[in-house]
Amino acid sequence: AQSVTQPDIHITVSEGASLELRCNYSYGATPYLFWYVQSPGQGLQLLLKYFSGDTLVQGIKGFEAEFKRSQSSFNLRKPSVHWSDAAEYFCAVGPYQGGKLIFGQGTELSVKP
Amino acid sequence: GAGVSQSPSNKVTEKGKDVELRCDPISGHTALYWYRQSLGQGLEFLIYFQGNSAPDKSGLPSDRFSAERTGGSVSTLTIQRTQQEDSAVYLCASSLTGTGHTDTQYFGPGTRLTVL
Repeated sequence: AQSVTQPDIHITVSEGASLELRCNYSYGATPYLFWYVQSPGQGLQLLLKYFSGDTLVQGIKGFEAEFKRSQSSFNLRKPSVHWSDAAEYFCAVGPYQGGKLIFGQGTELSVKP
Repeated sequence: GAGVSQSPSNKVTEKGKDVELRCDPISGHTALYWYRQSLGQGLEFLIYFQGNSAPDKSGLPSDRFSAERTGGSVSTLTIQRTQQEDSAVYLCASSLTGTGHTDTQYFGPGTRLTVL
C-alpha cells in the first residue's frame, strides 16, 4: 500500500536551533517526493521536491531534505529555525509520471523564543 | 500571474443541503486536483482532472460528491445532502500538465466547509 508516515505530530524547537522533521514512505514505484508548508489559514506552499539525482535537495526559506532510498525516508532539515517557520509541514509522495499526491498526517512546528 | 483561487473561503450550511465549491486554477494549467483536509483524516485526494476529463476520481467518498470542469478551466465540487462528516477544508490545486516528474501542484487557500 502507498503511504506516508510523519511520526511526529507536534515538535517544539527554540528559535535559532536546528530542525529535523521525519518522513517515511511506502511506495511501489519510483517515488516523487515533496515537502509542503501550511501557515494558519493558508494553502500549501511547496518547499522542495525530489525526483532523481543528488539525494540532498535544497528548497526555499533555507530548508533542505535528504532522500535515503535504503531507509525509505525523506527528512526535512533547517540549520537555524526562525519564529516565522512556525507552521504545519506535510510530506507527500506522488507517481514519477505525475498525478495525485499522498500526504502524511503533518507535523506541527512551534518555535519558542 | 495569479495563483489558484477558491470560493467561497468559508461556507456554513445545514445538514441535508447541497453546496457548491469553486476553483479557479492558474491560467494555462491543464491539470486540476481536489483534496480534502479534515481532523483525523489529514489530507486526502478526491479527484483529478486532465482538461475537462476526470481520469481519476477514486478519492470521492460517496456518490453525494461530484465534480466537473468546464472549458479546461474552472472546476466545481458539489456535495449533495451534506452530512456533518463532510465538514473539512477543501483544497484545490493545479499543475501545468499533470504528467511528468517536473510537474508541480500549486494549491489554493481552500474553502472551509462547516455542516451544522
